[in-house]
Amino acid sequence: GAVVSQHPSRVICKSGTSVKIECRSLDFQATTMFWYRQFPKQSLMLMATSNEGSKATYEQGVEKDKFLINHASLTLSTLTVTSAHPEDSSFYICSASTTGSGTEAFFGQGTRLTVV
Amino acid sequence: GQNIDQPTEMTATEGAIVQINCTYQTSGFNGLFWYQQHAGEAPTFLSYNVLDGLEEKGRFSSFLSRSKGYSYLLLKELQMKDSASYLCAVRGGFKTIFGAGTRLFVKA
Repeated sequence: GAVVSQHPSRVICKSGTSVKIECRSLDFQATTMFWYRQFPKQSLMLMATSNEGSKATYEQGVEKDKFLINHASLTLSTLTVTSAHPEDSSFYICSASTTGSGTEAFFGQGTRLTVV
Repeated sequence: GQNIDQPTEMTATEGAIVQINCTYQTSGFNGLFWYQQHAGEAPTFLSYNVLDGLEEKGRFSSFLSRSKGYSYLLLKELQMKDSASYLCAVRGGFKTIFGAGTRLFVKA
């Protein structure tokens, strides 16, 4: 299957600072990337959908000014958690897919964010 | 809107067969996925169904009935390493929504 690389895998930051998470598709062009958040023992919650070269579409209840998403190329999307607070501590996972229906989503390794 | 239901936990014995059910409601159905997720790791793809029927892949099989909004994942010859969460995910349009997952415990 295709490879999606997510970096960093773990990050600890101080409250009030910003953290950037990168999601790269290594061997295919990802026209669409998805960002999920997962709290312990809960399912993946879709935060936003980003398409290359256009603004991300955020799910209801997700603050677009707090979770900045950039999808500048077909192989890279970034999620920046701005002014992080302890309640933002979570497992963030990206997935990438190509155009067309029926394509599976390939997941990055996930990023464990801890805000202290 | 979209809604996905699957059991919270299941326990099965090594070597046995287990069936994990998933019921869903969605508009613009565009496929159903099953993923395996070990604690602290990202999900890994297991299967994809878009037409009714059974898809078999080694020890894993997945079934879909679109008219009933129902799917199941069948795991045969269970191994200890199969202990994990199994996520049912439904694509409506170009958006994939995940169920809460079923935690499977395989005991010796």
